[in-house]
Amino acid sequence: GAGVSQSPSNKVTEKGKDVELRCDPISGHTALYWYRQRLGQGLEFLIYFQGNSAPDKSGLPSDRFSAERTGESVSTLTIQRTQQEDSAVYLCASSPPQHNSPLHFGNGTRLTVT
Amino acid sequence: DAKTTQPTSMDCAEGRAANLPCNHSTISGNEYVYWYRQIHSQGPQYIIHGLKNNETNEMASLIITEDRKSSTLILPHATLRDTAVYYCIVRVAASGYALNFGKGTSLLVTP
Repeated sequence: GAGVSQSPSNKVTEKGKDVELRCDPISGHTALYWYRQRLGQGLEFLIYFQGNSAPDKSGLPSDRFSAERTGESVSTLTIQRTQQEDSAVYLCASSPPQHNSPLHFGNGTRLTVT
Repeated sequence: DAKTTQPTSMDCAEGRAANLPCNHSTISGNEYVYWYRQIHSQGPQYIIHGLKNNETNEMASLIITEDRKSSTLILPHATLRDTAVYYCIVRVAASGYALNFGKGTSLLVTP
C-alpha cells in the first residue's frame, strides 16, 4: 500500500524566506512525527501530533518553526525566515493507534538554504 | 527512554550472517527494543521490534537476553543492499513516544 509521502522532495530557498514542507501520512495513522536530520548527523525529534493536536512540541528548535495538522491527515511544517543552519533533511513518520505499532517514515524533504 | 550503545561500524561478507549487537542496560519494564535501518538518502526503515521474547520476520531475527540488558539483530544472509546504518532504539510502546535515534552502527556488506 501507499507509504508516507513528503513533498517537495527537494527545496532550495534563499536565506530569510519562508518554506512549507508537506507530509501525507499513511491512511488510518493517527500519530504523526516530524524529525530533522542534518548532513552526517542523527535524527532530531521536532514535534508529535495525535490527531490534529500536538501534545509534544519539545523538539522545535525556535519560534521560527511551527507545524499544523488537518484532522488525521496531512501535516505542514513551516519554517519562517530560514537560516543556513536550517539546511537539513526533514523527515515525517506516522503510526497507527494500536499499542506498540512501529513508526513508518517517508523519504524526507531535503532543504537547502542559500 | 533508556540509552543504547552500539558499535560504530561493522563489516560482513555477502551471504554470511550479520550479527549487530546493542546494549541497553537501563531498559525499563515497559520499553520495547526497536531496530531501524537507514540506507543512504532514504528515510529510516522499520525492521523488527520485541519486548522480551525472540522475534523473527522476513527481514531479520531479534535475540533479546533474558535480563533484557542487550540484544542482537541478525540478518541471516546479508546482501550488498543491506549496507546501511542500523539503529537500536528502546521506546515505551505507546503512541506519543517518539523514537530517539542515536548514532547507530554503520554496516558495510562486502562482495
